[in-house]
Amino acid sequence: NAGVTQTPKFQVLKTGQSMTLQCAQDMNHEYMSWYRQDPGMGLRLIHYSVGAGITDQGEVPNGYNVSRSTTEDFPLRLLSAAPSQTSVYFCASSWGDRETEAFFGQGTRLTVV
Amino acid sequence: GENVEQHPSTLSVQEGDSAVIKCTYSDSASNYFPWYKQELGKGPQLIIDIRSNVGEKKDQRIAVTLNKTAKHFSLHITETQPEDSAVYFCAATYPGGNQFYFGTGTSLTVIP
Repeated sequence: NAGVTQTPKFQVLKTGQSMTLQCAQDMNHEYMSWYRQDPGMGLRLIHYSVGAGITDQGEVPNGYNVSRSTTEDFPLRLLSAAPSQTSVYFCASSWGDRETEAFFGQGTRLTVV
Repeated sequence: GENVEQHPSTLSVQEGDSAVIKCTYSDSASNYFPWYKQELGKGPQLIIDIRSNVGEKKDQRIAVTLNKTAKHFSLHITETQPEDSAVYFCAATYPGGNQFYFGTGTSLTVIP
């Protein structure tokens, strides 16, 4: 019963460094998405994918890249980390893009110093 | 896009009392309204949802009501228990939309 698995759980980066947050799901879901969670701002969509090879921008995409080469994996890349990207990041997957339950990973707490 | 407002941001209740969290939305086309519960250190988990063709839905101690005319929906938790303590998020989406629009969350504390 793995569901949605995110790695790492915690990460500290220096400004300007790059890294990739990993997300994998074993439910054969077509739709996957990345959110960031900041205090008082709820969950905001960064990027999403409706299937392998198809990605699109969400509400706050700047500074992040994604790709979807397989149904299972949806990594999020920070190209040049900035303190404003300090946040908790959640990956989610679902059967469809709306009106269906989204399954969330446990999150990655990222600090950029 | 949609705009979802959620109140209150924090809520404390005595064990056994009821808790109510309210959300308003801006887009009258929105037709699906889920509620997620986030426990400390975990990702959000769906607890109940409602579609626009229904006015109320119950699942044991949890219920959600929807007023389409006023564009607001509410989560009701009765007979609260300490394990209900968590952050609750409402969300909305509309046909043709590509995402959920989340509220800012309510931190519920149930005092034993």
